[in-house]
Amino acid sequence: KAGVTQTPRYLIKTRGQQVTLSCSPISGHRSVSWYQQTPGQGLQFLFEYFSETQRNKGNFPGRFSGRQFSNSRSEMNVSTLELGDSALYLCASTNRRGQGAYGYTFGSGTRLTVV
Amino acid sequence: SQQGEEDPQALSIQEGENATMNCSYKTSINNLQWYRQNSGRGLVHLILIRSNEREKHSGRLRVTLDTSKKSSSLLITASRAADTASYFCATDFYTGANSKLTFGKGITLSVRP
Repeated sequence: KAGVTQTPRYLIKTRGQQVTLSCSPISGHRSVSWYQQTPGQGLQFLFEYFSETQRNKGNFPGRFSGRQFSNSRSEMNVSTLELGDSALYLCASTNRRGQGAYGYTFGSGTRLTVV
Repeated sequence: SQQGEEDPQALSIQEGENATMNCSYKTSINNLQWYRQNSGRGLVHLILIRSNEREKHSGRLRVTLDTSKKSSSLLITASRAADTASYFCATDFYTGANSKLTFGKGITLSVRP
């Protein structure tokens, strides 16, 4: 079956602009999470969505937002971009519905460069 | 904030040798997972161990968990050049249906042919 698909793979934006990243989870997976990876801070949790509802949110400013559609596809948006937002943004999906231990399947990521 | 701390930060071994990577964490967990990342691409899930388990095997991988010491180790036996990658431990803690992975900073493994 198809893996987690993230688009676009690379993106260059100017400070102050906004950007939208897309993630299509594995078919049947209803939980989608987003992570930011930078050399300095490592992998940090942004938010998690399940059935179009945000269930969990990390410690990021309000410029970072996301949503999930009825088909489980998710988008994240970053407004008023700053140089420090340059990072690899990773999306992950899992089959978890409630309690229970499940691994996550990650996409290849979107490399965002802010200039 | 980082939950897991991997040790060592970098490891270089010869093909065929075993690689042992350690991870320590700070708070309660439901399970601990190990992931591999090649050259800044996506993470690949390797193995998951629940908090009530002590050891688990998957192919050439062996993971242990000591919840009293809040630590885990990942052993890769008979390493191959293709194992060269960054390895991350991630703790999973959920309340109700909310969950998130908290990652360590990673270990860079180089396997020399």
